[in-house]
Amino acid sequence: GAVVSQHPSRVICKSGTSVKIECRSLDFQATTMFWYRQFPKQSLMLMATSNEGSKATYEQGVEKDKFLINHASLTLSTLTVTSAHPEDSSFYICSAKGLAGGYEQYFGPGTRLTVT
Amino acid sequence: SQQGEEDPQALSIQEGENATMNCSYKTSINNLQWYRQNSGRGLVHLILIRSNEREKHSGRLRVTLDTSKKSSSLLITASRAADTASYFCARGSNYKLTFGKGTLLTVNP
Repeated sequence: GAVVSQHPSRVICKSGTSVKIECRSLDFQATTMFWYRQFPKQSLMLMATSNEGSKATYEQGVEKDKFLINHASLTLSTLTVTSAHPEDSSFYICSAKGLAGGYEQYFGPGTRLTVT
Repeated sequence: SQQGEEDPQALSIQEGENATMNCSYKTSINNLQWYRQNSGRGLVHLILIRSNEREKHSGRLRVTLDTSKKSSSLLITASRAADTASYFCARGSNYKLTFGKGTLLTVNP
């Protein structure tokens, strides 16, 4: 149980275009999902907390107009990187917290974004 | 920085040996979690220890927590080549996690 998927696993896009990444909880309902980015050999940095049916809460320094987050259902959150630039190239990972209220997070496999 | 910091940054051992990784943090927590990440993959939750707990076991894993020293350790006993991965501690507060930089563990067969 507690499987989280991400799509796509890899994406290459041209500078200036927008890219959407989906995060789905497959066998449980997730009231809260989290979006992280990870640079090579670095830690995960929390970008935003996504709550179903409400606006996402962004961490300090993360541009909400650039990284659009939508959590329209209890099983799906999307991250859209708008007007992507090469510096946005990174590994984006989502996680989900289940309804049971536990502290554990269940992570997706990640999406490798490369902006050329 | 409010991050947890792992020590060492890299650890190389032989199969069958024990591996110990340490984590320190600066601010208060209500729980501390350890995760594992294989190269280029997502994270797998290993174990959670609450702030009022001192030790927890799960299979070959043993986690300790010393809130007075703001530190935790993860011990992997009888390591296997398949344990090769990066291990992260994450400070839990209000359902948010703050990750350290991780320890890259290499278990040589």
